[in-house]
This record gives sequence, structure tokens and C-alpha cells, in this order.
Amino acid sequence: DGGITQSPKYLFRKEGQNVTLSCEQNLNHDAMYWYRQDPGQGLRLIYYSQIVNDFQKGDIAEGYSVSREKKESFPLTVTSAQKNPTAFYLCASSDRMIATNEKLFFGSGTQLSVL
Amino acid sequence: RKEVEQDPGPFNVPEGATVAFNCTYSNSASQSFFWYRQDCRKEPKLLMSVYSSGNEDGRFTAQLNRASQYISLLIRDSKLSDSATYLCVVSSYGNKLVFGAGTILRVKS
Repeated sequence: DGGITQSPKYLFRKEGQNVTLSCEQNLNHDAMYWYRQDPGQGLRLIYYSQIVNDFQKGDIAEGYSVSREKKESFPLTVTSAQKNPTAFYLCASSDRMIATNEKLFFGSGTQLSVL
Repeated sequence: RKEVEQDPGPFNVPEGATVAFNCTYSNSASQSFFWYRQDCRKEPKLLMSVYSSGNEDGRFTAQLNRASQYISLLIRDSKLSDSATYLCVVSSYGNKLVFGAGTILRVKS
């Protein structure tokens, strides 16, 4: 089945530690995205990538880093510079950068918590 | 002011009821509009796109009012399984999507 796989489902971070969230898609989509969701708030865009080896900052990129070395993979690293990392992280992809009525496909999410 | 605003609810309705949600957006240049459904701590899933002329999909009807900059979602004959958070999503600059915080719907028997 085609889709997006995020791992792990739950992740715990110690203070000062960098952690990496995995996102893999087999939909052959060009565009991939990382969102953060906090209780009572909408999804906020962290980073996005329209093509391999290229990515752009979203609205809340500080404290995060990404890479896009392969079309199917878009890992997100939450660095120690991110002081409030506890949130639900969602990876998504689309056939191309969102155009009229382009559909977003989401992974099942990673809940990151600070120990 | 947030770019996309929704009433957080919760809307508590009995089975069989008709319920409507509105969502306002501030960017008059927005071109794409969607409603997504999200169950608790799961990924959002596309419910329907919203077209200028309005569109219907079974019990769900979506409408767009560009003059007043809002979109709406109407659910008829509510089912228990409709209980979820409904996210309003609007395209913004650079074709990025902006998500509303969501409206919680609880359908009770």
C-alpha cells in the first residue's frame, strides 16, 4: 500500500539532546512537509521541500533542521535549541507544491515529549 | 488576528441533527480551500475541497463566500462516527496551506 510512514510513534527527549523523526513516503511525491500541532492550535509549518536536495523554512523553523537527500525521505531533527519541543509532529506529502485542490497525505504522527 | 479562525466548539449534537461550522480567513488572495477531519491524536484526512460554486458529498455540503471571506461545512443527519475535529484549511502566500485550530464535534446518541 502506498502511503507515508512516520516513526517512532512516541519519542522522549532529554534536555540538551537532539532527536530525529523519520518520514518516508512511497507515493512518488515531489513535495514533503513537516508540521507541528499543539493542543488547541492549528498545524504550523516547520519546513517543506519541493524537490530533492532543496528545502525551505516554514513559519516556525527555529530549533529544527531537515534534509532531503532522497525523494522518499524527509527526516526532521529537533535540536537542543528548540526549547519547547513537546508536540505532535506530522509529516505530509503532495504530488507537487500545493496548488488548487492538491491533496495532502499525512503520516500517522509522532508525539514528542521532554523527559 | 489569525489568518484562519474557527469556533473551537465543542458542538454537542444528537444523532440525526444538522450542524454547521464556519471558518473565516484573512487573505483575500487565497485560492484553495479545504475541510479536513482529524480524530483524536491521529493524522488529518481530507474531507472535501471547497469550490466557488459550493459542493456536496453525501451528507456534507461545503460553501465558499469570497466577499465575506468565509467557508462553511454543513453536516446533515449526524452520525456518531462524525465525532471528530474539523479543520479549515486555506492556501496562503507561496501556495502554503494555513490550518485553523479546528472545531470539535461530538455527536451523542
